[in-house]
Amino acid sequence: DIVMTQAPLSVSVTPGESASISCRSSKSLLHSNGITYVYWYLQKPGKSPQLLIYRMSNLASGVPDRFSGSGSETDFTLKISRVEAEDVGIYYCGQLLENPLTFGSGTKLEIK
Amino acid sequence: QVQLKESGPGLVQPSQTLSLTCTVSGFSLTSYHVHWVRQPPGKGLEWMGVMWSDGDTSYNSALKSRLSISRDTSKSQVFLKMSSLQTEDTATYYCARVGPPGFDYWGQGVMVTVSS
Repeated sequence: DIVMTQAPLSVSVTPGESASISCRSSKSLLHSNGITYVYWYLQKPGKSPQLLIYRMSNLASGVPDRFSGSGSETDFTLKISRVEAEDVGIYYCGQLLENPLTFGSGTKLEIK
Repeated sequence: QVQLKESGPGLVQPSQTLSLTCTVSGFSLTSYHVHWVRQPPGKGLEWMGVMWSDGDTSYNSALKSRLSISRDTSKSQVFLKMSSLQTEDTATYYCARVGPPGFDYWGQGVMVTVSS
């Protein structure tokens, strides 16, 4: 199984500042078709997860462009610029390259 | 619009079988894959399995011996059955659609408690 390792466990951010969350996969998520199958989700308190970034760097529909994704074959970063109070929750990375689909353990973002 | 909604019992006794239904609207089960993902209280996400759009299924090997996913396309429903439930199966169970951008729509989730 592909292991997804996230860091940090939690991050506290002042509104207006930036935050970065890292995710590392135990196997390259770069498919031979050129697509990197890493995804980012946000689970707001008491809610279902919602898709933020797909295929490493593509912004999901309706997601503010304060969110961006980048990375390589195994190391990925979610950056949140100009953090707002509505960004609180747990961020998960996940891979759709192969079954079983796996997720990182989550990074909790709090507002200072 | 696209919607998924899980339904099922909130409480299941140990060793019993869990049956959940995911009712979808706004898309066809023959065009999109529907996955089941669960989340124990205060913990992360665990992928359980998928009903592919062609009717085939795949399962997490850790659950495969206890898990069955099926569907009724005429009712736009996907079913999950998991046997021999234990307390560690207590979780919120989600169904989610995978479209071109991945898990693009999730149900609200159904909390299942395994307890006598």
